[in-house]
Amino acid sequence: KAGVTQTPRYLIKTRGQQVTLSCSPISGHRSVSWYQQTPGQGLQFLFEYFSETQRNKGNFPGRFSGRQFSNSRSEMNVSTLELGDSALYLCASSEENRGRIDGYTFGSGTRLTVV
Amino acid sequence: AQSVTQLDSHVSVSEGTPVLLRCNYSSSYSPSLFWYVQHPNKGLQLLLKYTSAATLVKGINGFEAEFKKSETSFHLTKPSAHMSDAAEYFCVVTLGSGYSTLTFGKGTMLLVSP
Repeated sequence: KAGVTQTPRYLIKTRGQQVTLSCSPISGHRSVSWYQQTPGQGLQFLFEYFSETQRNKGNFPGRFSGRQFSNSRSEMNVSTLELGDSALYLCASSEENRGRIDGYTFGSGTRLTVV
Repeated sequence: AQSVTQLDSHVSVSEGTPVLLRCNYSSSYSPSLFWYVQHPNKGLQLLLKYTSAATLVKGINGFEAEFKKSETSFHLTKPSAHMSDAAEYFCVVTLGSGYSTLTFGKGTMLLVSP
């Protein structure tokens, strides 16, 4: 099976711009979660999607949004970028079987730099 | 609520000596616990997981961890460190076996010297 694929790997954006990141989960996985990793805050949960519905949301401002498509691919969008949004954004997919999660597989991440 | 504390931000060992990375958790319900490893500029790789089966869990690359409910601990060990083990390690907790968000520890950087 192919792993979790995140594109692009690297991005440089200017303050005030917006950005869209993409995540393709492992085939058959319907849950996709997003995490932000920074040196200061560590790994923080952004949101989780399952079957095109947002199931959980972390404590991030409304500038951070996401969606999931019928093929389980997910995108996250950050509008009005700030310098503090510079981070590694990680996507994880998981297989849910009768309500049980059997582990999470992470992609290699998208490194976003805001200048 | 759930939380996880990794007791050491950095651990230094010599190649061939044992590794111990400490993790304590707090959870209102029966947790699932994971250890992930992150090499520089890479994503997170699952080392092992505890999901209420055997309390001694064996993972990849010779790592293992023991779930101790009385001590609320899930320490990661390896009998003999290898240079390639140098990386950052994250202890992660999630509630039970249902869908839930992952709560990460702050990470422990493992340094391995020759």
